[in-house]
Amino acid sequence: QVQLQESGPGLVKPSQTLSLTCTVSGGSISSGGYYWSWIRQHPGKGLEWIGYIYYSGSTYYNPSLKSRVTISVDTSKNQFSLKLSSVTAADTAVYYCARGPPKVAAAGNFDYWGQGTLVTVSS
Amino acid sequence: SYVLTQPPSVSVAPGKTARITCGGNNIGSKSVHWYQQKPGQAPVLVIYYDSDRPSGIPERFSGSNSGNTATLTISRVEAGDEADYYCQVWDSSSDRDYVFGTGTKVTVL
Repeated sequence: QVQLQESGPGLVKPSQTLSLTCTVSGGSISSGGYYWSWIRQHPGKGLEWIGYIYYSGSTYYNPSLKSRVTISVDTSKNQFSLKLSSVTAADTAVYYCARGPPKVAAAGNFDYWGQGTLVTVSS
Repeated sequence: SYVLTQPPSVSVAPGKTARITCGGNNIGSKSVHWYQQKPGQAPVLVIYYDSDRPSGIPERFSGSNSGNTATLTISRVEAGDEADYYCQVWDSSSDRDYVFGTGTKVTVL
């Protein structure tokens, strides 16, 4: 059973960079077959896909966030990470890491999710 | 950008059937996935590729997709089905690619 766990600061100051890490257990990122995604949910709102990474390091980002997002992977630690720069209060949200979509099916789903971590942007 | 529209809320009595719609332009040509999210929890995949169920999801959950509407159907609704439900598609022409619906709150009366 694949499990994902987000970690990182719960409070970030405006204009700074939000940094989160997702640790994967029960499966290896390096085994391939799946992209690994970050998804966020503003308080009381719907879900927004941020971007994904493959174990090889190839990435794809939501065009609306692309200028501020960097996703990286550390296969030795079975982790992938999110950096979001120049944050504002509008970036306050619960951030989830998730497995998906499958490498061979771009139209695929997100089948395993972390529990989520609330990040608040405030001075 | 591609928009997925869901009714904000659906109310259903225990034992009855709940139908949650997800509207989008020619959504029948896309693969639709559905997620259940209970308060304070992460979303859980309940239907993928329009009508397939992951292991562990009860047969009471089913899905269909045609024309401009995809539908998640929950039969014999139980109190534990009370949650928010989101549809999701991939739209390569969208400026967001992976698009989620607006969400539907299912209330069990």
